Amino acid sequence: EAGVAQSPRYKIIEKRQSVAFWCNPISGHATLYWYQQILGQGPKLLIQFQNNGVVDDSQLPKDRFSAERLKGVDSTLKIQPAKLEDSAVYLCASSSAVASHTGELFFGEGSRLTVL
Amino acid sequence: AQSVTQPDIHITVSEGASLELRCNYSYGATPYLFWYVQSPGQGLQLLLKYFSGDTLVQGIKGFEAEFKRSQSSFNLRKPSVHWSDAAEYFCAVGNQNTDKLIFGTGTRLQVFP
Repeated sequence: EAGVAQSPRYKIIEKRQSVAFWCNPISGHATLYWYQQILGQGPKLLIQFQNNGVVDDSQLPKDRFSAERLKGVDSTLKIQPAKLEDSAVYLCASSSAVASHTGELFFGEGSRLTVL
Repeated sequence: AQSVTQPDIHITVSEGASLELRCNYSYGATPYLFWYVQSPGQGLQLLLKYFSGDTLVQGIKGFEAEFKRSQSSFNLRKPSVHWSDAAEYFCAVGNQNTDKLIFGTGTRLQVFP
């Protein structure tokens, strides 16, 4: 079974530039999550999708971050314009359960963003 | 509000020694508790989880954790550490009313031969 795929693995940009990350979850997984992991901290949930609908985006900085999952499969997370404090690893995860607490989250390897 | 505390930022043990990683949570009702491991350059992998029932939970790779409600703790243990266990370990908490997992700040484990 293929795992969660993310790209790019690494990205370096200057502040005020834009960047996009892509995630392809495990086939059949209805729930998709984007987490932000800043160095020295635990992952923080940015947004959760159930199929192509948003379940929770309360911690997504909507003035600069956007995410979509148009066909209920793969997803894109965009940052525009980027700030220095956006430097982090962006983790995508998926699960087959309706609620994350009832099942296991499968994580991708992450996309490491450095903003200069 | 839920929160998770991992008091130890960095732990070093010798290969073959026993291991205990601490996790304390804050939540008014019965929490759902998880331990994840993250190897360098890798995503997070679930080691074990607790929802209800037996408070001693067995996981993969020889790990176990014990839920202690009186101490609001869910410490991770392994009787004999292997060099391949060197990684970052995250405790996380959820509950039946939300789909959100709250992660701790992690404990980095270093294993000496």
